[in-house]
Amino acid sequence: AQSVTQLDSHVSVSEGTPVLLRCNYSSSYSPSLFWYVQHPNKGLQLLLKYTSAATLVKGINGFEAEFKKSETSFHLTKPSAHMSDAAEYFCVVRGLNYGGSQGNLIFGKGTKLSVKP
Amino acid sequence: KAGVTQTPRYLIKTRGQQVTLSCSPISGHRSVSWYQQTPGQGLQFLFEYFSETQRNKGNFPGRFSGRQFSNSRSEMNVSTLELGDSALYLCASSEGNRISYNEQFFGPGTRLTVL
Repeated sequence: AQSVTQLDSHVSVSEGTPVLLRCNYSSSYSPSLFWYVQHPNKGLQLLLKYTSAATLVKGINGFEAEFKKSETSFHLTKPSAHMSDAAEYFCVVRGLNYGGSQGNLIFGKGTKLSVKP
Repeated sequence: KAGVTQTPRYLIKTRGQQVTLSCSPISGHRSVSWYQQTPGQGLQFLFEYFSETQRNKGNFPGRFSGRQFSNSRSEMNVSTLELGDSALYLCASSEGNRISYNEQFFGPGTRLTVL
């Protein structure tokens, strides 16, 4: 079965410093991986997705993630945090239906990012 | 294109009642998925509809049901509400074909409170 584990429930950084949000995945096949962001009282927005074309994936708002098969990780990074980055971030893997077709999204528990001035 | 819309945005019900939530997908999208978000359980998949048929289903009791109309709009219904059904219900739409990495676009959600 597919699953993701977000290693930190809360991360706090200062504005202008790097951001690292950690995610490990478990999958019996080559996974489809995503990072979503949720601002307070808002829906989920896709930051980036792993398509297997490149292990380093660039997303919106300066975020990127690196797929490391040997470490089963898909950590999200950003070189310099902005106040507007404060939100909850979800690492997501797409499940697999019986028969091998693409299934529903399976979400991690989320990491709340706080950005201090 | 307009985004995914969900109505109502907020809802207060009492135990034992039933509720219907509505979701209008992005124009041209044929797949609609529903998720429940709670502080304790996080985001959990309820079901997915594609071309008016339920294509996938999560592990929720039969009190949770849904349907999709010919214009791809979807409704979900929860009968005999329980306190634990209080949650943010999110709807997501996608093109629906079986190409890998098919992006899902989420609506703002309906906040359901059960008293």
